[in-house]
Amino acid sequence: GIQVEQSPPDLILQEGANSTLRCNFSDSVNNLQWFHQNPWGQLINLFYIPSGTKQNGRLSATTVATERYSLLYISSSQTTDSGVYFCAVAATQGGSEKLVFGKGTKLTVNP
Amino acid sequence: GAVVSQHPSWVICKSGTSVKIECRSLDFQATTMFWYRQFPKQSLMLMATSNEGSKATYEQGVEKDKFLINHASLTLSTLTVTSAHPEDSSFYICSVATYEQYFGPGTRLTVT
Repeated sequence: GIQVEQSPPDLILQEGANSTLRCNFSDSVNNLQWFHQNPWGQLINLFYIPSGTKQNGRLSATTVATERYSLLYISSSQTTDSGVYFCAVAATQGGSEKLVFGKGTKLTVNP
Repeated sequence: GAVVSQHPSWVICKSGTSVKIECRSLDFQATTMFWYRQFPKQSLMLMATSNEGSKATYEQGVEKDKFLINHASLTLSTLTVTSAHPEDSSFYICSVATYEQYFGPGTRLTVT
């Protein structure tokens, strides 16, 4: 099955700093999502981005499907950005296929 | 996006008892729902795919007789952990799928 690797595993930032999180995957995908898991466990959808670039406020993401990686950019980080960021992929189009999750990047933003 | 609720948010039960967790799709008719399990400081692992009106599909290594899944309507799927043991203590999360997946808030199960 598809393998998903995320880096770095841990990241500590000062408030206001920028960061880049990476997700590598081992095979072609038709679905790639980025999530933020908050301290209470809720998974929040950040991006659905099987290819291309998207931006939402201080966050943006780029997926280069031909090279099998995706990047999540966080600019001007805030303490509320703390939590675990997961990349998840699926080989088939749409949401009907199971997602394979990476191990996540734990982000800590200090005031 | 789809809104998903779970009940209860947390539950403590004694070893040997059964616990039922509900997953509701509040604004979307979900023919397919997914159940994941997450151990502390680990990633999410898919347990099973719940299909409305038919049997669930379980992932390899997941005991279907222990984790009973019922998807009786387009808005409700239930996961029953039967004869729970301490090693079943975990965070259980469900999701619904449109073209992307949306997750419920999770249920934290502690078996004593």
